[in-house]
Amino acid sequence: DIQMTQSPSSVSASVGDKVTITCRASQDVSTWLAWYQQRPGKAPNLLIYGASTLQSGVPSRFSGGGSGTLFTLTISGLQPEDFATYYCQPTGSFSLITFGGGTNVEIK
Amino acid sequence: QAQLQESGPGLVRPSETLSLACTVSGDSISGRDFYWGWIRQPPGKGLEWIGSVSYSGFLYSKPSLESRVTISVDSPKKQFSLRLTSVTAADTAVYYCARRFGNGWHFDSWGQGILVTVSS
Repeated sequence: DIQMTQSPSSVSASVGDKVTITCRASQDVSTWLAWYQQRPGKAPNLLIYGASTLQSGVPSRFSGGGSGTLFTLTISGLQPEDFATYYCQPTGSFSLITFGGGTNVEIK
Repeated sequence: QAQLQESGPGLVRPSETLSLACTVSGDSISGRDFYWGWIRQPPGKGLEWIGSVSYSGFLYSKPSLESRVTISVDSPKKQFSLRLTSVTAADTAVYYCARRFGNGWHFDSWGQGILVTVSS
């Protein structure tokens, strides 16, 4: 089974900061990767798919990169509504569907 | 994006069957690029995909759950449903319905989630 490892598991940051989250896959997934944001008590929300394609309606301060086994999600200029948990997920096949352990972005 | 809404009992007894429904609005349920599925999240933990079904009934599910999982679509009602048999406390979770659309197994529309507790 594929394993998705996110780091850090938690990060403290201030409004306006730039934050980068890393997701490492245990096997090559090319650019078949999505990122989600989950606010407390809410459903996950798709941010990015295809490793770097922004979902419609998602602010441009979110960006994704990487390919193969190493991926990043960057938030440039944190806003108060961005404090949430972020998950990565491989998307190339139904047999690969699993979610990373999550990264909690907290207010410093 | 479609709007999805889960419904069903919030409490299920151990060894019984968990049954949930998801009602779709704002889009067709019959699009050939759509897969309709379920993802769960135990309290305080991460996300686990359960399975997804096409409008024509083709089912993909997580191997460790597939012997207990049935997902089906009722197109006239614009609903799809989850049945999970022989539940235990480990099945206690918030259950989300979600849509996969397009190229790649990412989920672009989600329901708000429903907490299901397995307890006697």
